[in-house]
Amino acid sequence: QSVLTQPPSVSGAPGQRVTISCTGSNSNIGAGYDVHWYQQLPGTAPKLLIYANSNRPSGVPDRFSGSKSDTSASLAITGLQAEDEADYYCQSYDSSLSAAFGGGTKLTVL
Amino acid sequence: QMQLQQWGAGLLKPSETLSLTCAVYGGSFSGHYWSWIRQPPGKGLEWIGEINDSGSTNYNPSLKSRVTISVDTSKKQFFLKLSSVTAADTAVYYCAREGPHFYYAMDVWGQGTTVTVSS
Repeated sequence: QSVLTQPPSVSGAPGQRVTISCTGSNSNIGAGYDVHWYQQLPGTAPKLLIYANSNRPSGVPDRFSGSKSDTSASLAITGLQAEDEADYYCQSYDSSLSAAFGGGTKLTVL
Repeated sequence: QMQLQQWGAGLLKPSETLSLTCAVYGGSFSGHYWSWIRQPPGKGLEWIGEINDSGSTNYNPSLKSRVTISVDTSKKQFFLKLSSVTAADTAVYYCAREGPHFYYAMDVWGQGTTVTVSS
């Protein structure tokens, strides 16, 4: 049971916008710790998608964006493409200096 | 372009100790934290722990009693040992870099090592 809660699955048609939530508490996200997001394609290692709540590493399309508010964070994907079908994970820290991942969200492109 | 290459035994018996190595190529070892993460079959990611080049460690409280992460800066390698393994420790294990330029997000990952615990 992760301290960061994500919906198990989301879906959308090509071209649509989807959001994935990551809900924490006052001991992690709400304590001011940064939230990072990762994309994991089947059979591959995770890839950093968003760091420090809303920043994209070089090479990540601007269709991906992140935000954070109070005890939660969100990942938004606009202009959905078939290649976006993957598992997405949020990650933050807690007051015990432990990192933690959300349970993951499977994105299906209809 | 930094790369992480990892290796270790892929098949263990219950009660044995898991040992993995992650080698860093093409970049600086200092100034970063180095993490181990695992993913059981069909499940999500679980952070195991981290170490920096000075040897300072942080561990997942749920695994702390069985985990040791260490480092050899001269070889640019870090290591994971997990004792008294059971079937529940069967997973793909990843090593990763936490880079200060990315606010310590895990920006470089190893290829993963599949570890199976079975009698």
